[in-house]
Parts: sequence; structure tokens; C-alpha cells
Amino acid sequence: ETGVTQTPRHLVMGMTNKKSLKCEQHLGHNAMYWYKQSAKKPLELMFVYSLEERVENNSVPSRFSPECPNSSHLFLHLHTLQPEDSALYLCASSKQGINEQFFGPGTRLTVL
Amino acid sequence: AQKITQTQPGMFVQEKEAVTLDCTYDTSDPSYGLFWYKQPSSGEMIFLIYQGSYDQQNATEGRYSLNFQKARKSANLVISASQLGDSAMYFCATHTGRRALTFGSGTRLQVQP
Repeated sequence: ETGVTQTPRHLVMGMTNKKSLKCEQHLGHNAMYWYKQSAKKPLELMFVYSLEERVENNSVPSRFSPECPNSSHLFLHLHTLQPEDSALYLCASSKQGINEQFFGPGTRLTVL
Repeated sequence: AQKITQTQPGMFVQEKEAVTLDCTYDTSDPSYGLFWYKQPSSGEMIFLIYQGSYDQQNATEGRYSLNFQKARKSANLVISASQLGDSAMYFCATHTGRRALTFGSGTRLQVQP
């Protein structure tokens, strides 16, 4: 596979479930990002990892928990979500010092 | 803090015509970059073009060009010879010092045959 992949592409979960979103990049990048895109709102940055260290946490509720075990993988662990958390979750990666970010196809999350 | 404003929620253009999508920005950083991304209905964000704040020339990538007017803080995207496949959401963005992107609200472009 090439580029940035995300699984699953679609996820429906109840408010009491625990699930994880996975992102994998095959570009040799060393920075990874989670963004949230809600209907009719701009993309919102959630987390930034640079060299596997979390360098930015944009006031995200603790029911979202990121994990970056290595420079190629990024997870977003979800638990006790709310219906307003339903959105498209986009992962991106970049190389340090390079401006362009490459995005994955996103996970469309619906919380019932 | 960075802010991106896209004032056109939707635009129509005839196939083969050129179209300009507006973007204004506000940033306190002396050095910054401006990006345009395309988001088709499938959801992925596709990088189109980048302009650095110190670049003297306007950026161009194929049919895309960026009309950068630093004094006006605008970075409009020009798409020449529109194609039906150009129908999508278009987002303008800028990056913070840590390279995370701040996005505008987007413009939905529809290309009509």
C-alpha cells in the first residue's frame, strides 16, 4: 500500500463502546496528525505527534486517546463517546521541515 | 493565532472556464505558508498547491495557480480550464509554527457541463 491509509473507513458505535481508529503512513514521514471534520465546520486539529512524541493536544476531551507506537502508525482510541462526536476523522502525515501534509481517506464515525 | 476566511460557501463554473476561489488569512507569524486542498465527496484531502510567505513568485501547479497578495493577506486559488472532475470542496489553510494546519470553512465548487 502507498500513501496514508486509515481503517476502518466507516464505524458506527454506541456511547458505551470502546473502539480504535488506525492510521498508517508508508511515506517515511516522522510527524502525524489527527483532525476532526464535523458537518459544516472547518477541520479541527486534535493531536500532533512529532518523532513519536505528542507535541500538541488541542483541548480534546479525554474520551479521545491518541497513541503513536512508531513513526508509521497512529491510533485514536475512543470510549464513551457522545453523538456530537460523529464526524469524519482524518489522519495526516508530513516530514519534519517540509510543509505539505498528506491525508488519509478518513474514518466516518457515527455515534448512536 | 491563525485564522483563514473563505467567504464563498459555493461556486459554479462552466466547464473549460477559469474560476477563482477566495481566501484571506490572518496570522501573527512573520513566516508562514498557505495551502490549498481539494476534498472530493469520497472524503480524502488532496494537496493542490503551496505558497511560502517569502516566495516572490506566485505558486503554480499545472492548472492551479495561487494569486498571493501579501499586503491584502489574500491567497486566492485560480483553476484554469475547469473540468467536471474539479467538482469538490476546496479548503485554504495555513500552518502554525508546529506545522499543524488551520483550515478555512471551505468552498464547494460545482463544474457544469
